[in-house]
Amino acid sequence: GDSVTQTEGPVTVSESESLIINCTYSATSIAYPNLFWYVRYPGEGLQLLLKVITAGQKGSSRGFEATYNKETTSFHLQKASVQESDSAVYYCALGAFIASSSFSKLVFGQGTSLSVVP
Amino acid sequence: DPKIIQKPKYLVAVTGSEKILICEQYLGHNAMYWYRQSAKKPLEFMFSYSYQKLMDNQTASSRFQPQSSKKNHLDLQITALKPDDSATYFCASSQDAGGVYEQYFGPGTRLTVL
Repeated sequence: GDSVTQTEGPVTVSESESLIINCTYSATSIAYPNLFWYVRYPGEGLQLLLKVITAGQKGSSRGFEATYNKETTSFHLQKASVQESDSAVYYCALGAFIASSSFSKLVFGQGTSLSVVP
Repeated sequence: DPKIIQKPKYLVAVTGSEKILICEQYLGHNAMYWYRQSAKKPLEFMFSYSYQKLMDNQTASSRFQPQSSKKNHLDLQITALKPDDSATYFCASSQDAGGVYEQYFGPGTRLTVL
């Protein structure tokens, strides 16, 4: 089946340092899944951080970037310089196709908790 | 203003009881979903609805029943509650169901079954 694996947390990074959260996926129900990064800040719901629907393309938002790499089946999240306000849980997800209903669902990784310390 | 409302935020129930989790979205979306996240597990897709019709059900148990009284409502009724049902339940919505549209999530309802 479809699955997503990401860096196991918690991850602690000092402010202004760089960040990479690894995400690899396995997609069996769909050849070219859409890929997403969601973020959940403390006390809030999940928010879409960025998405990429075409292999080889890069998405970016709020200083974060992720490149859809079909060859390595990866979608790593990177930021050059993190801030305390980036402390949150980050979820990698892929859009998977449900053949029985011609519908779609999101398949999530387990989430990576990030703490940015001064 | 919150665009997807989930009520209650926290819920404690006893084994064997029945609870209803409420979800309303004010985004004008046609598709709604339920996901569940148990402790130390990924968010797991449960149901999808489009124009108030069930599109897909990936829960194994009939104890979980979605209910859509209005296009922007998708409640989740859980009967005969078990401790294993303890989880945070997230409601989501998207413009439409076809293809993979961006899904917007509510803040979740954390359910604890004693």
